Amino acid sequence: GNSVTQMEGPVTLSEEAFLTINCTYTATGYPSLFWYVQYPGEGLQLLLKATKADDKGSNKGFEATYRKETTSFHLEKGSVQVSDSAVYFCALTGGSQGNLIFGKGTKLSVKP
Amino acid sequence: EAGVAQSPRYKIIEKRQSVAFWCNPISGHATLYWYQQILGQGPKLLIQFQNNGVVDDSQLPKDRFSAERLKGVDSTLKIQPAKLEDSAVYLCASSLGTGGLASYEQYFGPGTRLTVT
Repeated sequence: GNSVTQMEGPVTLSEEAFLTINCTYTATGYPSLFWYVQYPGEGLQLLLKATKADDKGSNKGFEATYRKETTSFHLEKGSVQVSDSAVYFCALTGGSQGNLIFGKGTKLSVKP
Repeated sequence: EAGVAQSPRYKIIEKRQSVAFWCNPISGHATLYWYQQILGQGPKLLIQFQNNGVVDDSQLPKDRFSAERLKGVDSTLKIQPAKLEDSAVYLCASSLGTGGLASYEQYFGPGTRLTVT
């Protein structure tokens, strides 16, 4: 079945540093790919998505490109802020009904 | 637009007791999901409803977990009897689910944190 593997955290960066969180997937067919973010004390929020190969999702300075050849969807941001401190989850659609399969999450802490 | 509502936000019970969680999805969303998120892991789907019918409950421990979605709107998830390993955050999500990729975008509630002692 479909699955997601993302880099383990926690990741600690200084403000304005470059961020990469790796995500690779295993899937049959052509799933949609997502990054969700969970801020402390809040629910999951969709950060960005890509629905087909070579699509680039972007939001709030974050980007991720759907790479079918490497089965990857790495999350990047050029300059992180303290407010980006959160847990980031990579996910893909698990089947035809749209349910999501999540990675284990990567906790990001950004220090001033 | 109001988001997905869940209650209670926190619950502490002893093992072998029962507990129920409530979810009110975004108005007009046909599809409702319940996920279990154990500490340090990503959410895992428990059950998916399309209107008031079950689409996928393959990972729901049916000997102790039950869920219903009466009238295709609100939903309740029940655990009876609870075990220590049920300690987790229970997330409810909804989506339009009417067809097409965009309709599968899921919106999550704040979750209910359950502690079983």
